[in-house]
This record gives sequence, C-alpha cells and structure tokens, in this order.
Amino acid sequence: DVKVTQSSRYLVKRTGEKVFLECVQDMDHENMFWYRQDPGLGLRLIYFSYDVKMKEKGDIPEGYSVSREKKERFSLILESASTNQTSMYLCASSPLQTSGGAREQFFGPGTRLTVL
Amino acid sequence: LAKTTQPISMDSYEGQEVNITCSHNNIATNDYITWYQQFPSQGPRFIIQGYKTKVTNEVASLFIPADRKSSTLSLPRVSLSDTAVYYCLVGGLGYKLSFGAGTTVTVRA
Repeated sequence: DVKVTQSSRYLVKRTGEKVFLECVQDMDHENMFWYRQDPGLGLRLIYFSYDVKMKEKGDIPEGYSVSREKKERFSLILESASTNQTSMYLCASSPLQTSGGAREQFFGPGTRLTVL
Repeated sequence: LAKTTQPISMDSYEGQEVNITCSHNNIATNDYITWYQQFPSQGPRFIIQGYKTKVTNEVASLFIPADRKSSTLSLPRVSLSDTAVYYCLVGGLGYKLSFGAGTTVTVRA
C-alpha cells in the first residue's frame, strides 16, 4: 500500500522559531509537493521537487524553503515562523509524468501547525 | 493554468445521485481534468481523470462535453460516507495543479 508520512500531526511553535516539517514517501516517486490548506482557499502549492536537490516555487513560496537531499524525503522549512503561517500543511508525491494528464498525487495526513 | 469554477457546496440525501459541475473555459488542448476527494482530517484522494467524453470507474463517472469547457463529476447513489470536499483540477504536462476551494458535498440520511 502506498504511503506518505509526515513527521507530526500537530505542532505548536512560537513566532520567530525555525520550523521543520518532514515528509517521507515509500513509493519511489520522483515528484514531491508541499501545500498549505486554509479555510475557503483550498490547497495552495508552496514548493515542489521533481528530483533530488531540484525544486521549483509554487504559488506561495514566500517565507518558506525546502530541502530534498534524498529521493524519499522532502522537507519544508519555515525560517522564522509567523502567525500567518498557522495552517494545515500537506505533503504529496507522484510518479514521473511523461505524457497525458498529471499523474495521481498521493497525500500524507497533514500537519496542523499553530504559530503563537 | 486553467481557472476552474465549481459550486461552494451541495446537499444531497442517501441513495441519490450527485452531480458536480466544474467550469474551465480556458482549458488548453493538452489539459486533462482530474477530480480529488478529501475527507475531514485527511489529505485529498484521487477519484478520476479524463480528457474527453465519458470516463467511469468503480467510484464515479466523469462527463466531458465536446467543447471541454466544463465537466461533471457524477457520484451514483451516495451514502453518508461520501460527505467530503471535491476538487476539480485542470492541467496537463507539468507539475503545478490548482486545487481551488472545492465543493463541499453533504449527504444527509
């Protein structure tokens, strides 16, 4: 069974702290994604990675950075957490796309981050 | 990316068919239409994908007219467990997908 795991389900941090959110997939997928989900706004793409050490900005990359040192692991980093980064963070992975429609994305359970 | 528009919410009763229509007027030639389902406290889950005409799987059917400017996800005989948010996405080659706010479907007994 395919699996995407995230390091924490709930996380509480203070303003200014450096925050690491970890995501691991066991499907040998090339692509990995980080989204945030807020009420009424749906899912918004923060960053994605299509290969080890490769990354591209999504729609809302400001205030975030990412790291992909190994194929199975994709980390989201909040360099200095702020209250407006309180949100649900979802990680996903998908196989390499060679043609046709976007390949199915497999999502983790999410991390609910609260920044005080 | 093609912009999509779908209803914010829909109510239904158990055993009924639910049809959610998504508008995507500026869909590109290479774009496919994909639907995801999200239950509370879970990540979205792929339901179905299509390019044109009709696609059916064990969960749903997807109807796409010839002009492809809209699509309709059909959920047959819904149950309480089909209460979820449904997202319509349009995209082709490339990794960026726009999920939007989705349609909250509430199934009542």
